[in-house]
Amino acid sequence: EADIYQTPRYLVIGTGKKITLECSQTMGHDKMYWYQQDPGMELHLIHYSYGVNSTEKGDLSSESTVSRIRTEHFPLTLESARPSHTSQYLCASSEQTGLPEAFFGQGTRLTVV
Amino acid sequence: SQQGEEDPQALSIQEGENATMNCSYKTSINNLQWYRQNSGRGLVHLILIRSNEREKHSGRLRVTLDTSKKSSSLLITASRAADTASYFCATVILIQGAQKLVFGQGTRLTINP
Repeated sequence: EADIYQTPRYLVIGTGKKITLECSQTMGHDKMYWYQQDPGMELHLIHYSYGVNSTEKGDLSSESTVSRIRTEHFPLTLESARPSHTSQYLCASSEQTGLPEAFFGQGTRLTVV
Repeated sequence: SQQGEEDPQALSIQEGENATMNCSYKTSINNLQWYRQNSGRGLVHLILIRSNEREKHSGRLRVTLDTSKKSSSLLITASRAADTASYFCATVILIQGAQKLVFGQGTRLTINP
């Protein structure tokens, strides 16, 4: 079982609300990632980080923002949620050097109504 | 997909049969990984094959890599109902000086009892 946790597991919110999806890992990994995945579809990288105070946008344009103030914590924020943000959000982490294997959280299923 | 294609997109077989999934990629790689995702969950790392390896085994899993064709295959032997899941290949690619972990589109595997 990977030591990476996402909360909440499921979230239903109204349009226009601000939300933060939490992701924490206890493995001391420097690299962390956020992916967006619609049901049965491929994963799209939306944000990644190589360490504290390092954040980069991924391949899929996203209105979300991220921060990396602590190694173990990589939250994702949507300032004003819209129905188009409805999706599953997956957080992952991996070592900076050594094996590139990524460990994933269970995901947050977000529904914006 | 930025990295490549997986085929088939969906595969349905009887329990006990072998399942083969293929992955093609576009860029040079150091290694290729395969992940499994149960419905609505995060991804779990299955196996990694390095670019200087041609074949690798792990239990009922067999992975091959052909760097000349930029392709890999995952074979699951003697399939079980519990193998029902989506399977993704992934590679680390260099884009604009940054290393990113990107995934294929995935193959949805259904094992019928």
